Amino acid sequence: DGGITQSPKYLFRKEGQNVTLSCEQNLNHDAMYWYRQDPGQGLRLIYYSQIVNDFQKGDIAEGYSVSREKKESFPLTVTSAQKNPTAFYLCASSPSRTGKDGYTFGSGTRLTVV
Amino acid sequence: GENVEQHPSTLSVQEGDSAVIKCTYSDSASNYFPWYKQELGKGPQLIIDIRSNVGEKKDQRIAVTLNKTAKHFSLHITETQPEDSAVYFCAGVTGGGNKLTFGTGTQLKVEL
Repeated sequence: DGGITQSPKYLFRKEGQNVTLSCEQNLNHDAMYWYRQDPGQGLRLIYYSQIVNDFQKGDIAEGYSVSREKKESFPLTVTSAQKNPTAFYLCASSPSRTGKDGYTFGSGTRLTVV
Repeated sequence: GENVEQHPSTLSVQEGDSAVIKCTYSDSASNYFPWYKQELGKGPQLIIDIRSNVGEKKDQRIAVTLNKTAKHFSLHITETQPEDSAVYFCAGVTGGGNKLTFGTGTQLKVEL
């Protein structure tokens, strides 16, 4: 079955550590996106990529980094520079580089700083 | 860029009643409007979408209407059931845009 897979489902990080969240899709989608969701809040865009080896900052990119070396993979690194990283992180992909065919979301990674 | 506002932020209905969630957008060039349903602890799922050349679209108990003149679109859920309880997000993308802009979400609770 085609889909988008995020791992791990739960992740715990010590302060000062970098962690990497995985996002893989087998839908052959061109575009991929990372969102952050805080409790009771909406979706805030961190980074997005419309094509391999290219990505753009979203609204809250500070303290995060990404790479897009393969079409199917778009990992997100939460660096120690991110002051409040505890949140639910969602990855999405779209067949259209414009987003006009909708997004398919993964099931999310819940990151907690301990 | 596009700005999407969503109301209400919370909505409680009795089982069997209808629920309506409304979104307004700022860019008159916007031409694609999806709706997503997010259950607790899960990722959002696309439930219905509409493009600017259509005024209404239905899928069983769910319908979306679009008023381009007023720049608003609405989600209508009829005969609500407990499993409809979730957070619903609207979104829009402009003609020249390259990503969706999401509303802030509506927490729908269907009470028995």
